[in-house]
Formats: sequence, C-alpha cells, structure tokens
Amino acid sequence: GAVVSQHPSRVICKSGTSVKIECRSLDFQATTMFWYRQFPKQSLMLMATSNEGSKATYEQGVEKDKFLINHASLTLSTLTVTSAHPEDSSFYICSARDPSSTGGYDYTFGSGTRLTVV
Amino acid sequence: AQKVTQAQTEISVVEKEDVTLDCVYETRDTTYYLFWYKQPPSGELVFLIRRNSFDEQNEISGRYSWNFQKSTSSFNFTITASQVVDSAVYFCALRGGAGGFKTIFGAGTRLFVKA
Repeated sequence: GAVVSQHPSRVICKSGTSVKIECRSLDFQATTMFWYRQFPKQSLMLMATSNEGSKATYEQGVEKDKFLINHASLTLSTLTVTSAHPEDSSFYICSARDPSSTGGYDYTFGSGTRLTVV
Repeated sequence: AQKVTQAQTEISVVEKEDVTLDCVYETRDTTYYLFWYKQPPSGELVFLIRRNSFDEQNEISGRYSWNFQKSTSSFNFTITASQVVDSAVYFCALRGGAGGFKTIFGAGTRLFVKA
C-alpha cells in the first residue's frame, strides 16, 4: 500500500530557531498534501493544504509566515516552523492524497513529528 | 459547513466488554466519505475503515463493526469483547467535496480497557 514517510519523528529545538519537517510519499506521486497539528489530548486540526507547484492554502487562524509550506515536487512537502516558541510545541502530521488510487480516495498519513520547543 | 461530533470524551470498560463509540456528522455534500482512525500512544494514525455515502451497509471486521445510518447522520463504531490493546484514542472523520476534499476530524474518544 501507499506509504508516507515523515521525518523527523521527534525534534527538540530552542526558542527562536526554525525547524523543518519533511513528508515524503514513497511509492506514489502526491499532488496534494495536508498538514495537521495536534495539541495534547486534542483533535487533529488542519493547518494547510499544499498542491505541488503552487502556494499552500492555509486554514483560518494559521500564520502562513510562521508555518512555511513547500511542495516543490510530487513526492515531497516540507513544513518549516519559523522562529519557534514553546506554544508551537505540538504533534505535526502530514497526509498525502494518492491520485492514482481508485477514485483518488486514498489519503495516507505520515507517522507524525513531535516538536518540543524549549 | 462540515462537522464531526464525538460526544464521548472518554470511555472506560473492563476487558471483554463490548463498547460503542458514537459519531455524528454534518455535511451538505451528497457524496462524502466517513472514516475511523485509531491513535495509540505512539501518535501514529491507524486507518480502520472508510465508508462512502452511498454505501449504508454495515461492516464487520473481526471484533470491529460499524453502523452507518444516513437518516441520523451517524457512523458508530463497536468493539466486541474489548481487549487491553484496544486502549487508544479513536477518531471519526469526514471528507467531502464541499470541504475541498479535506479530512475533518472529530474531537476523538479516549478508550481505556482495563484488564
């Protein structure tokens, strides 16, 4: 089945620094990827939708200048948390749509990245 | 607007008990998909089932079963003879065209199965 690799799985960074999270589709071309954030004991909240080769679409309330998303190829999307602060500490998870799946229905999730900002 | 409601925040059962997790959804789409995911402590989402809006047949997979009722906009999940390994957070989710094919998650239900 479709596999999405997300790295790193855990990262600790100092306040004020930037962190990049990668999401790769290993055996399919993902034209669309989604980034979610999950705070402890809460649900997954969609942050943005990225389409290969175009600018990401951010959900209301998500700062696009703080959470930079790049989807430069059909197999890679990156989320960069710029000038991270402790309140950005969260679990970030990506999801990739496989357009070649039957009806394009298959969306595969990465394993997530636990970010801790100290 | 699309919305998924999981009214049960936490459920605690004793091993071998049956447990039903409720899910109610809202959408204006005529074509949509409903999902259940399991999230163990590791955080990774485990896909359990996908159901499209035109298929109201109930489904059984081992100890898991799902009841989809469009009339009440519900998609409930039952675990029969629960086991300790079933302890996790379970999310119900919805994806429809009006939402830009984004997957919207419910708040989740934390299930504790005690030995």
